[in-house]
Amino acid sequence: GAVVSQHPSWVICKSGTSVKIECRSLDFQATTMFWYRQFPKQSLMLMATSNEGSKATYEQGVEKDKFLINHASLTLSTLTVTSAHPEDSSFYICSASTGIGEQFFGPGTRLTVL
Amino acid sequence: AQSVTQLGSHVSVSEGALVLLRCNYSSSVPPYLFWYVQYPNQGLQLLLKYTSAATLVKGINGFEAEFKKSETSFHLTKPSAHMSDAAEYFCAVSTGTASKLTFGTGTRLQVTL
Repeated sequence: GAVVSQHPSWVICKSGTSVKIECRSLDFQATTMFWYRQFPKQSLMLMATSNEGSKATYEQGVEKDKFLINHASLTLSTLTVTSAHPEDSSFYICSASTGIGEQFFGPGTRLTVL
Repeated sequence: AQSVTQLGSHVSVSEGALVLLRCNYSSSVPPYLFWYVQYPNQGLQLLLKYTSAATLVKGINGFEAEFKKSETSFHLTKPSAHMSDAAEYFCAVSTGTASKLTFGTGTRLQVTL
């Protein structure tokens, strides 16, 4: 149990395009989902926290208009990187929580912007 | 505010030797502490967690960690390293099990023959 999936697992896009990453909790309802980014050989940095049905809470320094987060259901959250640039290339990881238990992490999505 | 410091970005041990990965935390409230393992190009897997119960926490794959409030530490140990333990290990702190996590910078464990 407690499986979180991400799609796609990797994506390559051209600079200026938008990319959507999906995070799904497969066997539980996630009231809260978290989005992290991880640069090569670095730690995970929290980007935003999203609760189902409400606006995401972004961490300081994260552009909410660039990284659009939607948490429309208890099993799905999406992160859209708008007008992607090479500096947005990173490993994006989501986690999901029932709100009273631990966070379960997805396998990550590697984004490469050319 | 919370923070985590992992001493040693890279640790190398021989197979069968003791594994010790260090983690010190700072928290203005009683912390919840976690150790995660990450294999290349994968997400994070929870090894163990401290949630204010027993100070010695046993996790998966033979790992354990001890919460020492006086030292603000939560070091990860394993008596005998296996080749399969080679990975990146992250210590993290939060104010609750479902609250946002603050991660340390990670320690890469190398296991040699």
